[in-house]
Amino acid sequence: GNSVTQMEGPVTLSEEAFLTINCTYTATGYPSLFWYVQYPGEGLQLLLKATKADDKGSNKGFEATYRKETTSFHLEKGSVQVSDSAVYFCALRSAGGTSYGKLTFGQGTILTVHP
Amino acid sequence: EAQVTQNPRYLITVTGKKLTVTCSQNMNHEYMSWYRQDPGLGLRQIYYSMNVEVTDKGDVPEGYKVSRKEKRNFPLILESPSPNQTSLYFCASSISGTPSHFGPGTRLTVL
Repeated sequence: GNSVTQMEGPVTLSEEAFLTINCTYTATGYPSLFWYVQYPGEGLQLLLKATKADDKGSNKGFEATYRKETTSFHLEKGSVQVSDSAVYFCALRSAGGTSYGKLTFGQGTILTVHP
Repeated sequence: EAQVTQNPRYLITVTGKKLTVTCSQNMNHEYMSWYRQDPGLGLRQIYYSMNVEVTDKGDVPEGYKVSRKEKRNFPLILESPSPNQTSLYFCASSISGTPSHFGPGTRLTVL
């Protein structure tokens, strides 16, 4: 079956530092890949997505590139802010067919940014 | 306001007492889904529905039931809750198969 593995957290950074959260996946075919963010006490929000190899998703200064050869979708941001403190989830959706709506999430990475 | 609503937000119950968590969206979305969130395990999909009367199992469907009789509602039913179903539950919806709107969550405790 499909699986998503995220880097162990929590991650603690100072404001304006560079952020990388690693995500690798196992899936058949060509799944779609996503990053979601969960702020304290809230539901998840879709942060960015990529639907095919070499696609780059971007939003709010965050970026991730769909790397088929390394089965990875690492999240990056050049300069984090305190307001970026949240839990980040990597996820994949099956390529198609009868499992099109099935999503698999990673375990989440807690990010804390200090002033 | 476009939103997904869940009720109740908090629930404490006892083993074996049937319960239903409601989920409703006002965006005319085709796709709806349920997840549970547990520490160290991230989110795991319970069930999803691509459209009315169409539902399918996610990764952890055991002990849960769902129904999709109308587009806006997607209730989660626990026929006989057990303590291992204590968790934080989220409902989500979207136009397509990628959840774009999540509800605020329902924290369930089964004693």
